[in-house]
Amino acid sequence: EVQLVESGGGLIQSGGSLRLSCAASGLTVSNNYMAWVRQAPGKGLEWVSSLYSTGSTHYADSVKGRFIISRDNTKNTLYLQMNSLRGEDTAVYYCARSGTGYDYWGQGTLVTVSS
Amino acid sequence: EMVMTQSPATLSVSPGERATLSCRASQSVSSNLAWYQQKPGQAPRLLIYGASTRAIGIPARFSGSGSGTEFTLTISSLQSEDFAVYYCQQYNNWPPIFTFGPGTKVDIK
Repeated sequence: EVQLVESGGGLIQSGGSLRLSCAASGLTVSNNYMAWVRQAPGKGLEWVSSLYSTGSTHYADSVKGRFIISRDNTKNTLYLQMNSLRGEDTAVYYCARSGTGYDYWGQGTLVTVSS
Repeated sequence: EMVMTQSPATLSVSPGERATLSCRASQSVSSNLAWYQQKPGQAPRLLIYGASTRAIGIPARFSGSGSGTEFTLTISSLQSEDFAVYYCQQYNNWPPIFTFGPGTKVDIK
């Protein structure tokens, strides 16, 4: 059974940094295309970043230059390093595996950026 | 820039009725289109990929159609557990910016 478990969210001041983790079981992160998707309170889904098995990374314009996606193969864990956080980054952050479409999702972790 | 639109924003349907949701892409995405269901407090769930293929465990009352820029999700006979928000997503771009639509909320009439 595939499980993705996010952690690392919390309350952070504007301008601060936070690192989210997504621990995977039942799949190998390094062999899969993994993504972070966020959802601001009461809003829709927004793709944030993706990491291919090749190591290729991609970012939404809204986070480019501030967020870094990475993985630790030994821990089978996906990360999202978030720097220079802004109020508009407040959201639930989900990690997801992309097969055709995002077929496995974590439960999400809430990031709240206060001014 | 790829833009996804969905209509209507809200759809009020009685249980047992048919629901038809639309999704439009600003440029062709071929059949690289997925549909998700999200209930309050839960992560999204993949319903349809490849525009028309049901994901594992998805009931047959959910069907998807379309290609290019126009897509439809049909729920043939709404059950109580189907009242939720539905999102479409394209995964055709390179570079891979896999845009979601704004969602359609299906609520009880």
